[in-house]
Amino acid sequence: DVKVTQSSRYLVKRTGEKVFLECVQDMDHENMFWYRQDPGLGLRLIYFSYDVKMKEKGDIPEGYSVSREKKERFSLILESASTNQTSMYLCASAGGQLPYEQYFGPGTRLTVT
Amino acid sequence: QKEVEQNSGPLSVPEGAIASLNCTYSDRVSQSFFWYRQYSGKSPELIMSIYSNGDKEDGRFTAQLNKASQYVSLLIRDSQPSDSATYLCAVNRAGGSYIPTFGRGTSLIVHP
Repeated sequence: DVKVTQSSRYLVKRTGEKVFLECVQDMDHENMFWYRQDPGLGLRLIYFSYDVKMKEKGDIPEGYSVSREKKERFSLILESASTNQTSMYLCASAGGQLPYEQYFGPGTRLTVT
Repeated sequence: QKEVEQNSGPLSVPEGAIASLNCTYSDRVSQSFFWYRQYSGKSPELIMSIYSNGDKEDGRFTAQLNKASQYVSLLIRDSQPSDSATYLCAVNRAGGSYIPTFGRGTSLIVHP
């Protein structure tokens, strides 16, 4: 079974703090993703990576950056957290052959106060 | 803008009935289609993928794909209260794209 883990289930940070969210997958997948999910807005893609050190912006990259130094690990960084970044953050990985099934981690509920 | 549309629901069915969830998509070149189940406060869990026209069955779940009409559906037979969740439809583009477009989900309630 694919396993995607995230560093924290719940996180509370203050406005202006730098926040690191980490994601690790154990299936040797090339592709990894960060989403945020908010009520009424669905899943929105923040960034994705198709290889080590490679990254592409998704639909809502503003205020975020990412790092992928190793194939199994994909980090999301909030440079200066703001209250509008309070959300559920979901990491996913996909790889292998078509149809490129995407598997999600358990999510991190981030609250910025 | 590629779109994936789902009725937000809630869809309410009695226990033991068949629940039918539908999804339409706008991109004709879409190639792979997925159904996820998401319980409140949890992350999406992959139920099934399908990429050929027709039906694909896995236990109580059947995915149906009709590329000509651009819709994909999920049937849940013998629905149980534990099936109560939001069901997300996702669609990958053709050409080997691994980036899905997600619908906003349909809420399913199975009442005893």
